[in-house]
Amino acid sequence: KAGVTQTPRYLIKTRGQQVTLSCSPISGHRSVSWYQQTPGQGLQFLFEYFSETQRNKGNFPGRFSGRQFSNSRSEMNVSTLELGDSALYLCASSFSEGMDTEAFFGQGTRLTVV
Amino acid sequence: TQLLEQSPQFLSIQEGENLTVYCNSSSVFSSLQWYRQEPGEGPVLLVTVVTGGEVKKLKRLTFQFGDARKDSSLHITAAQPGDTGLYLCAGERSNYQLIWGAGTKLIIKP
Repeated sequence: KAGVTQTPRYLIKTRGQQVTLSCSPISGHRSVSWYQQTPGQGLQFLFEYFSETQRNKGNFPGRFSGRQFSNSRSEMNVSTLELGDSALYLCASSFSEGMDTEAFFGQGTRLTVV
Repeated sequence: TQLLEQSPQFLSIQEGENLTVYCNSSSVFSSLQWYRQEPGEGPVLLVTVVTGGEVKKLKRLTFQFGDARKDSSLHITAAQPGDTGLYLCAGERSNYQLIWGAGTKLIIKP
């Protein structure tokens, strides 16, 4: 069974630009969550989508947005990039129903804003 | 504000020593998950504990869920260099959201 796939793996953007990251979950998983990971702040929850609806949201500014498609693939968009947005962005998919909430992570997208 | 406090944040010990990592909260969770993350990879689930007081063993790793389901610990016996990594705990809320600790960076020196 294929794992969670995130593209691209690495990205360099300039301040003020916008970026879109993509995540393909494990087949059959309807939940996709996005996280920002930095050495100083650890793993910070951005938002979670379940069956195309945003089910949970973290405390990030409106510049961070996401969506989920009918095939459960998800995209995350960051507009007006700031230097502080440089981080590893991780996507996790899960079955997230009943007792099965194990999160399966992709390898992440390393975003560098210059 | 970190809802799940992990301690210590960093631990560097010699091979063969024992260690314990703690995950504490004032909130009750329906389950508590422990993950390990290696450089360049996403976190991978080690174990899920569900019942208050539950103890699970995974070879040299022992996981315990507090009686009140607010805290958990991970104990490693006779640590080996292969145990090196970032250990993360995550508490599951009733709305399926996972609340994450900041992680414990563990280095085991040969």
